[in-house]
Amino acid sequence: NAGVTQTPKFQVLKTGQSMTLQCAQDMNHNSMYWYRQDPGMGLRLIYYSASEGTTDKGEVPNGYNVSRLNKREFSLRLESAAPSQTSVYFCASNGLAGGPTQYFGPGTRLLVL
Amino acid sequence: QKEVEQNSGPLSVPEGAIASLNCTYSDRVSQSFFWYRQYSGKSPELIMSIYSNGDKEDGRFTAQLNKASQYVSLLIRDSQPSDSATYLCAVNYNTNAGKSTFGDGTTLTVKP
Repeated sequence: NAGVTQTPKFQVLKTGQSMTLQCAQDMNHNSMYWYRQDPGMGLRLIYYSASEGTTDKGEVPNGYNVSRLNKREFSLRLESAAPSQTSVYFCASNGLAGGPTQYFGPGTRLLVL
Repeated sequence: QKEVEQNSGPLSVPEGAIASLNCTYSDRVSQSFFWYRQYSGKSPELIMSIYSNGDKEDGRFTAQLNKASQYVSLLIRDSQPSDSATYLCAVNYNTNAGKSTFGDGTTLTVKP
């Protein structure tokens, strides 16, 4: 099992550009999450999906949109990137046999110039 | 006030010592509690979970939970340089799934 995978690993954008971060899990988890982590900070929840077909805002949703494409995939879109969105983005999943423990992907490092 | 607060770091201990990491949470309905370890440049990984009051031991790690005081801690005995990392405390409102709230983390350095 690959666990949680994310693409790309690293991306540089110019202000105003758009991009989509991809996340997929093969653990049959119901719930998926997108976090951002700024230097020296904890994880801040952007959006989450409790189950296929549902999405909800987290703590810092402004400037982002999400799509729960199916049970496995949860994407995060930046429509018009801003320097304040420079961060490391982590996708995570949990649920069912895994319980509440969150399993994280390797992260995407995003730099917005 | 943040929902989950961790003792401010960084924390530095000599090799072989006990490292003590503390966390308080504000919501009394929290049901499950976690400690994640995050190495620099890597993603968080679970090291301990605890659901009921008392101590839970796993090798060199002991998690302690006191729901009345809304306090959870992590003790690392015989600390090793490989324990140097940031430790994130997280709380969850149920025991099946659901979103967790994370603290800002405490960075631990174990000096040889």
